[in-house]
Amino acid sequence: DSGVTQTPKHLITATGQRVTLRCSPRSGDLSVYWYQQSLDQGLQFLIQYYNGEERAKGNILERFSAQQFPDLHSELNLSSLELGDSALYFCASSARVNTGELFFGEGSRLTVL
Amino acid sequence: DAKTTQPTSMDCAEGRAANLPCNHSTISGNEYVYWYRQIHSQGPQYIIHGLKNNETNEMASLIITEDRKSSTLILPHATLRDTAVYYCIVRVSGSNYQLIWGAGTKLIIKP
Repeated sequence: DSGVTQTPKHLITATGQRVTLRCSPRSGDLSVYWYQQSLDQGLQFLIQYYNGEERAKGNILERFSAQQFPDLHSELNLSSLELGDSALYFCASSARVNTGELFFGEGSRLTVL
Repeated sequence: DAKTTQPTSMDCAEGRAANLPCNHSTISGNEYVYWYRQIHSQGPQYIIHGLKNNETNEMASLIITEDRKSSTLILPHATLRDTAVYYCIVRVSGSNYQLIWGAGTKLIIKP
């Protein structure tokens, strides 16, 4: 158990819909990361937050957005969903802002039909 | 960030040491070597990292060659639960560079 909690574990929705994925970081961790893992691609970095502020942005689509709240939990919003958005979405947290030692949650599996 | 090259897959007998190689011939002096593993669609798990000295923790040992162009992750007594994809990643120290994930090595532990 990494201490990072993600909900929901599984989500099935239709194209064009909007979903929100939630992440609670490890206790005390200020930095949260979102990754996407689809079958034909490896883990792709989407975005990082540190103590409520966006820190780094990767290959995140404009249809996707994220935020980190004062209690440090984070949400990833995916809108206008397409079939290709079907993937595992992982959240990770770290104690420091610039580190490669990340602790990952178990992921949210999104299926878009 | 430097790129890494890993074998696509490897087998190892249960109870034996699993040695996973990684080539990072273009590594820079300030880049660390990180190892993670991912057990079938679970979240990746941090294993170990190092700069130039060999490192050991409760999970594994990391051996980095003197020229730092390659490294080996050693799982001393592999169990069936060590079957996973193992990722070798190099990352600049103290920066805001993100981890760049390759395809990794699929390690299968056989009874």
